[in-house]
Amino acid sequence: DGGITQSPKYLFRKEGQNVTLSCEQNLNHDAMYWYRQDPGQGLRLIYYSQIVNDFQKGDIAEGYSVSREKKESFPLTVTSAQKNPTAFYLCASSMSGNRNEQFFGPGTRLTVL
Amino acid sequence: DAKTTQPPSMDCAEGRAANLPCNHSTISGNEYVYWYRQIHSQGPQYIIHGLKNNETNEMASLIITEDRKSSTLILPHATLRDTAVYYCIVGKIYNAGNMLTFGGGTRLMVKP
Repeated sequence: DGGITQSPKYLFRKEGQNVTLSCEQNLNHDAMYWYRQDPGQGLRLIYYSQIVNDFQKGDIAEGYSVSREKKESFPLTVTSAQKNPTAFYLCASSMSGNRNEQFFGPGTRLTVL
Repeated sequence: DAKTTQPPSMDCAEGRAANLPCNHSTISGNEYVYWYRQIHSQGPQYIIHGLKNNETNEMASLIITEDRKSSTLILPHATLRDTAVYYCIVGKIYNAGNMLTFGGGTRLMVKP
């Protein structure tokens, strides 16, 4: 089955620790995205990547880092510099071309204790 | 990118049409209107998008006004499984990917 996988679904970390969220897609999509969602709010873009080895900051990149070494993978690291990391994190991907619909993964709910 | 305005919540009776409005008065000529929905605690799901013509697919219809300043998403026969938050987004399409700004959306409650 083609799709986007995020793991784990729930993640708990102690304050001050870095944590890396996984995102993998087998849709052969060029572009990948990371969003953050807080309770009752819409999604906010953290980082996006349009091609391997290249990525750009979104609206709320501070305290986060990403890498794009492979087309299929776009991991997000939540660093200790992120002041309020507890949130629902969503990864998405899209193909180039006219339609550009984004396909979303199931999300990872991160709780920092 | 242009901003959108949606009512925060709406109710609809099961089996009836759900009409979800969206205002995007500052939309520019090369921006598309997208609709996504998010069922609780899941990733958003693409529904439909359009530039200026009305569009229909297996999930919904999108009606865009002639001046493109507003649009309506129509779910022709709403079911309980259509209960979700519906996001109206305007954005450009680039060669590789696009950046979408998700606002607060409309929480649609379909009732039996």
